[in-house]
Order: sequence, then C-alpha cells, then structure tokens
Amino acid sequence: QQQVKQSPQSLIVQKGGISIINCAYENTAFDYFPWYQQFPGKGPALLIAIRPDVSEKKEGRFTISFNKSAKQFSLHIMDSQPGDSATYFCAASPGNTPLVFGKGTRLSVIA
Amino acid sequence: DTGVSQDPRHKITKRGQNVTFRCDPISEHNRLYWYRQTLGQGPEFLTYFQNEAQLEKSRLLSDRFSAERPKGSFSTLEIQRTEQGDSAMYLCASSPRQRSHNYGYTFGSGTRLTVV
Repeated sequence: QQQVKQSPQSLIVQKGGISIINCAYENTAFDYFPWYQQFPGKGPALLIAIRPDVSEKKEGRFTISFNKSAKQFSLHIMDSQPGDSATYFCAASPGNTPLVFGKGTRLSVIA
Repeated sequence: DTGVSQDPRHKITKRGQNVTFRCDPISEHNRLYWYRQTLGQGPEFLTYFQNEAQLEKSRLLSDRFSAERPKGSFSTLEIQRTEQGDSAMYLCASSPRQRSHNYGYTFGSGTRLTVV
C-alpha cells in the first residue's frame, strides 16, 4: 500500500533550470512532510521539511509548496546544478510516527 | 559524533544462512529505525525503537527477522534462513524523541545484502 505517490520517476533538467518533483497523499492525518536527497552509496539526507499550517517554505534554492486541500506537495529546485543530480524522496508521517516514503525521483542536471 | 554508523557495508551470503547487521545511532538520539530499500524504490519501514523498547514492526518484517536494541544504544537486525528476496539495502536511522521544526532522521550509509 503506497501512501505517498511521487512523480515523475526520473527528470532531466538543464543547468540553471528549475526542477519540480510532486507528491500526493491520501491520509489526512499526515502532519509532517519532508524531502530527502540520496546520492549513490549513501543513505538519504534531510533536505527540507514543511508542516501543513504553512503553504510554502524556502531554504536557499530549495522550496516546498504545500496544497492541503489537494493533498499535494512539491519540491522546487531553483538554478539547478550538476551537483544536485541525485534521487529525491518525499515522505510523510502522522503524529510522531515513522515516515512513509515515496518511490523516488532520479534527477539528472545536465550542463 | 560522526553520525549513524552501520556495519558491515556489504554482505554476501548463501541462501539459508543467518546474517546480522549492526547500527550505532547518534548518541543523544532516543529513536532508532530500520528501513529496507530495493533498487529504484524508496525506503520501506521495518521497525523502530524508542530507547530499548521496540514500538512498532511492519508487516514486512516476517518471523525470520528480529531486531534488538539492548540498553537503548546500538541495534542489531538479524535475518534467519535468508532468501533471495531479502537482497536489499538495509538502512538504519536515528532521531530525537520529540519532533521539532527541523525534525529529521539521520540515516546511515546502509548495509547492502546480497543473497546468492
């Protein structure tokens, strides 16, 4: 049972462009929505997270947009760089319980 | 503290053998999680501990899997009678007990298991 649906599976973006990854969920009890970044051979690392009481959160080049009514949230990477090439996972959890992860998006930023 | 450590990094075993993995979390973190990740998939939750208490186990965790966290410090994950379907990356993560605005899991680099 996949509780968080992530799209697209893969994404190719030109250097300097905007990368956009989307996630949708069904469980209205979810109240914490992080994004993780994973490089080959490494574990996922927290990138940015949002609570449902705000619609947007920005940290540097990374922005989460959250639409509570649509039960969707997205990650925007501005001015994408080759070093951003990695796999990105959205996740969610209800209360202080273990995170449920999406299937991931493999991002390639080309020069 | 250098983060979450997992040992070994790689393990190749024959089908039917038992394997044990170890995770050393960040020392001040109360919670410890085990996830499994297969190629092209996101991490799937297996089980987690708060201090030494195992609070939840996923249905993915068959009877062949057992996890412990003695004294609330390091944790071990044992797989008995391994099957080829057990081949995956096993990830350990730790976190503080209380969620905060910047709450997040710190993952280790994982143990890659290959069952031949």
